[in-house]
Amino acid sequence: EVQLVESGGGLVQPGGSLRLSCAASGFSLSDHYIDWVRQAPGKGLEWVGRSRNKVNSYTTEYAASVKGRFTISRDDSNKSLYLQMKSLKTEDTAVYYCARAVAGPLQGFYYYYYMDVWGKGTAVTVSS
Amino acid sequence: DIQMTQSPSSLSASVGDRVTITCRASQGISNCLAWFQQKPGKAPKSLIHAASSLQSGVPSRFSGSGSGTDFTLTISCLQPEDFATYYCQEYNTYPLTFGGGTKVEI
Repeated sequence: EVQLVESGGGLVQPGGSLRLSCAASGFSLSDHYIDWVRQAPGKGLEWVGRSRNKVNSYTTEYAASVKGRFTISRDDSNKSLYLQMKSLKTEDTAVYYCARAVAGPLQGFYYYYYMDVWGKGTAVTVSS
Repeated sequence: DIQMTQSPSSLSASVGDRVTITCRASQGISNCLAWFQQKPGKAPKSLIHAASSLQSGVPSRFSGSGSGTDFTLTISCLQPEDFATYYCQEYNTYPLTFGGGTKVEI
């Protein structure tokens, strides 16, 4: 069974750091893109960032709201992906989800990747 | 950034109703559009990708259509378990963006 499990959430003070983990099972992590998506209390979904697969050199993309503060990394040997969060702000308070992204059919010269399996999320609270 | 506008933001419906939710992109995204269902306190669930392709295991009462900038999600015969919030999301261009959500309630 394809599964993603997030962990590492908790309470942190503004300006602090936290590292979230996303453990993958039932598929080869190195072959897949992984997204991080967050949801502030009572709000909608917000894309945070993406890690491409090994074939694409694990390159990353980030939302403007977190660029320069958040970093996505991987440890394929441990079947895990990480979201390192620094300089946290109160507006980063949210449930954070990781999601596997898979390729759709080739369109022109490109594949476009959509999210198909989500973890259950881990809650992050930034507060003094 | 591409803006995704969903309408309505909420709707009231009854079991057996046909429900349609609209999503409009601020610029063309081909068919790079996904739909997700989320119930309170739960993670989103993938329903549709490529605007109209049903994810494995999703009931056939769900369908999607559209291309370019205008898309729809239709639930042909609403079931009790379908009361939830639905989100569209474009995956054509970074940053990936979600619509604001449509809450389907009784």
